[in-house]
Amino acid sequence: GAVVSQHPSWVICKSGTSVKIECRSLDFQATTMFWYRQFPKQSLMLMATSNEGSKATYEQGVEKDKFLINHASLTLSTLTVTSAHPEDSSFYICSARASTGNTEAFFGQGTRLTVV
Amino acid sequence: DQQVKQNSPSLSVQEGRISILNCDYTNSMFDYFLWYKKYPAEGPTFLISISSIKDKNEDGRFTVFLNKSAKHLSLHIVPSQPGDSAVYFCAASAGRTGANNLFFGTGTRLTVIP
Repeated sequence: GAVVSQHPSWVICKSGTSVKIECRSLDFQATTMFWYRQFPKQSLMLMATSNEGSKATYEQGVEKDKFLINHASLTLSTLTVTSAHPEDSSFYICSARASTGNTEAFFGQGTRLTVV
Repeated sequence: DQQVKQNSPSLSVQEGRISILNCDYTNSMFDYFLWYKKYPAEGPTFLISISSIKDKNEDGRFTVFLNKSAKHLSLHIVPSQPGDSAVYFCAASAGRTGANNLFFGTGTRLTVIP
């Protein structure tokens, strides 16, 4: 199946700093990428949808100035958590789809962010 | 508001027996459903999907059944193997309407006992 690589797999940062997470589709062009976060024992919650070359669409309650998403190419999307705080500690997962419509999304391996 | 629900947080099954994982949804616009398997600290891995024009889709040991009138789907794994032990997420999307993001259930942790 298609491969989506997410980096880093885990990161610890100090409160107030920014962290960038990369999501790459390795063997296909991802016109759409999605960013999710998952709190312990909870479902994956969609944060935003990004289409290559355009601004990301954020879900209600997600601060776009805090979670900066850039989808500059068909194989790379980045999520930057700005001025991170301990409550931002979570498991962040990206997924990518090759085209719109009913195709399955392929997920990265996730990034465990811990803000201390 | 949870549009996709998995009411059983955990399930234990003996090796060789059938595992049945259930999922309910509330949004009648959903027309594509997927099951993902997830190990700790890893991203979900796609297992099997079904379009709303079908009521059954089979892939090896995995079969997904869709009951649109009841807004219910289930994943059957038979025979269950210890390697199937993981968290299983049900997901749904309203692809035909153009809203192609996935809505996930809260997951069911399957434990297959050797």
